[in-house]
Amino acid sequence: ETGVTQTPRHLVMGMTNKKSLKCEQHLGHNAMYWYKQSAKKPLELMFVYNFKEQTENNSVPSRFSPECPNSSHLFLHLHTLQPEDSALYLCASSLGGSGYTFGSGTRLTVV
Amino acid sequence: SQELEQSPQSLIVQEGKNLTINCTSSKTLYGLYWYKQKYGEGLIFLMMLQKGGEEKSHEKITAKLDEKKQQSSLHITASQPSHAGIYLCGADRDTGNQFYFGTGTSLTVIP
Repeated sequence: ETGVTQTPRHLVMGMTNKKSLKCEQHLGHNAMYWYKQSAKKPLELMFVYNFKEQTENNSVPSRFSPECPNSSHLFLHLHTLQPEDSALYLCASSLGGSGYTFGSGTRLTVV
Repeated sequence: SQELEQSPQSLIVQEGKNLTINCTSSKTLYGLYWYKQKYGEGLIFLMMLQKGGEEKSHEKITAKLDEKKQQSSLHITASQPSHAGIYLCGADRDTGNQFYFGTGTSLTVIP
């Protein structure tokens, strides 16, 4: 375990479903991130939260909706996804410039 | 045990000096990525290597992947303070269903 816990580990959803990914850390970090990892592509930064405030939204479609209720929890709400959204979604947290820690990811398949 | 080992863990160099960061895996890598984390920001993609023996350069940074696809090096020529940050290697394994990050290297460049 890295200290950053993501659930579920695997998710299969239909294009009309609504689901949420969860990320949790108790490392005392103040920044949390959502990344998308597609096969044969570099990581794509999706969202950044610093002290619960969203500081970056990297042109992500509105079918992805983040939520950060506190510094320890981060959610990614999914609705009406497309098959091309199938990927590994990684959560990370950091404390300023140190302790950058990734979760194990959620493998999402959209059918 | 870590899937990807990076060395050194931290590095302090004088401006203008050359440096090398290594990323080693005990298993064959499907794709190898180098990222840089700027303090307080998300990961910045640097380069991707997929073929054994491949070498890529961008400005003063050169990355290589060995023939066996188990080790990669990142070389910075004539380092500058702007190169400071945490460097992470990341890798796909197998068919791309798994993704791992290295342990990270913190680089400080002294003017």
